Amino acid sequence: DAGITQSPRYKITETGRQVTLMCHQTWSHSYMFWYRQDLGHGLRLIYYSAAADITDKGEVPDGYVVSRSKTENFPLTLESATRSQTSVYFCASRGWTGADSYEQYFGPGTRLTVT
Amino acid sequence: QKEVEQNSGPLSVPEGAIASLNCTYSDRGSQSFFWYRQYSGKSPELIMFIYSNGDKEDGRFTAQLNKASQYVSLLIRDSQPSDSATYLCAVIGGGADGLTFGKGTHLIIQP
Repeated sequence: DAGITQSPRYKITETGRQVTLMCHQTWSHSYMFWYRQDLGHGLRLIYYSAAADITDKGEVPDGYVVSRSKTENFPLTLESATRSQTSVYFCASRGWTGADSYEQYFGPGTRLTVT
Repeated sequence: QKEVEQNSGPLSVPEGAIASLNCTYSDRGSQSFFWYRQYSGKSPELIMFIYSNGDKEDGRFTAQLNKASQYVSLLIRDSQPSDSATYLCAVIGGGADGLTFGKGTHLIIQP
């Protein structure tokens, strides 16, 4: 099915472990984004990518690594998970159809708990 | 740093009435404005976007933008219980590519 998917949907991991969250979109959108959502903070941008092999930091990038070798995939890795990274993670994407087109569409989210 | 402010609510509105949700933003360079609806445990769903000053209508939803006052609002006419959700205001612009979100307004439509 077309759209944007995330896996896993739920993940429990221990402090210090490496964990990778996957994001896949079938729209061939050029832009992809990772946000985290926490009570009291709302949605905050972690990293984004304008195209394959082009990534940039957002508001809260520390402790995260991203890569984008293919247009359709944008994995987010927590190299050494901490309890403060317990959150709901959303991937989003948007196409490039002109300077005034910024609509982003979100995946279903991954609920990550770090114990 | 860009800021987007929303009243967290809850905002309680009787069924059939007009719900009015408000948002202010700090960056005058913001160019595009979005309203997302988020049900509990679900992902944000885009319901409206507006780029120009004035009103934009889509079904029961109307987005209003006033760049001079740095103010954007969402009106929901004939409110239904299914409209009960958290509404997120988001902005983009000034060369940035990611959205800056407000913390959301929790809307409750009372049957």
